[in-house]
Amino acid sequence: SYELTQPPWVSVSPGQTARITCSGDALSKQFAYWYQQKPGQAPVLVINKDTERPSGITERISGSSSGTTVTLIISGVQAEDEADYYCQSADSSGIYRVFGGGTKLTVL
Amino acid sequence: EVQLVESGGGLVRPGGSLRLSCLASGFTFRTYAMSWVRQAPGKGLEWVSVISGSGGSTYYADPVKGRFTISRDNSKNTLYLQMNSLSAEDTAVYYCVKSFGDYVGDAFGIWGQGTMVTVSS
Repeated sequence: SYELTQPPWVSVSPGQTARITCSGDALSKQFAYWYQQKPGQAPVLVINKDTERPSGITERISGSSSGTTVTLIISGVQAEDEADYYCQSADSSGIYRVFGGGTKLTVL
Repeated sequence: EVQLVESGGGLVRPGGSLRLSCLASGFTFRTYAMSWVRQAPGKGLEWVSVISGSGGSTYYADPVKGRFTISRDNSKNTLYLQMNSLSAEDTAVYYCVKSFGDYVGDAFGIWGQGTMVTVSS
């Protein structure tokens, strides 16, 4: 099995930039994906294949990748960005998926 | 508009069975892989299973392999998850998820609102 490691929480003030990291050996070979989940709601895909932003996702959200670490970047953080964020990748086959433990983003 | 509506959740005793359904609309169902992802109360996300658009290929996470069966009826635009030998560790909200593309390994593109499964005596 393999794991993806995220910090449990990240806090930023409104208007600042939030960076949420996700690390794991699988990330050097497989794409990463990011999901946003607000309380009581289903998750939403916000970053596809490391850096692609799906239609309808704010331009303030972006993704980067370097080696075995990927980063979700939220610029100009707003209160509405407060949520849990999960990274996700796959094993070498690309089919058996794994999620990181999730990061709670708090807007101070 | 893409819609995924899960049903079939509820309270079941340990060792029991349950079948979840997911009715899809707003897209060409047969051309997309579909998955089940679950979330235990207060916990993170866990991938459960995926099925190809034709239904010919299925894959399972280790914790459910041999106990759960994913299937689909493309004539009814419906995805299923048959769950047997349930234990307390299976207690979770179960989400039906449409793949972002047509490959079984694509991102989890659109999520339903989920159905709660509680395994308890």
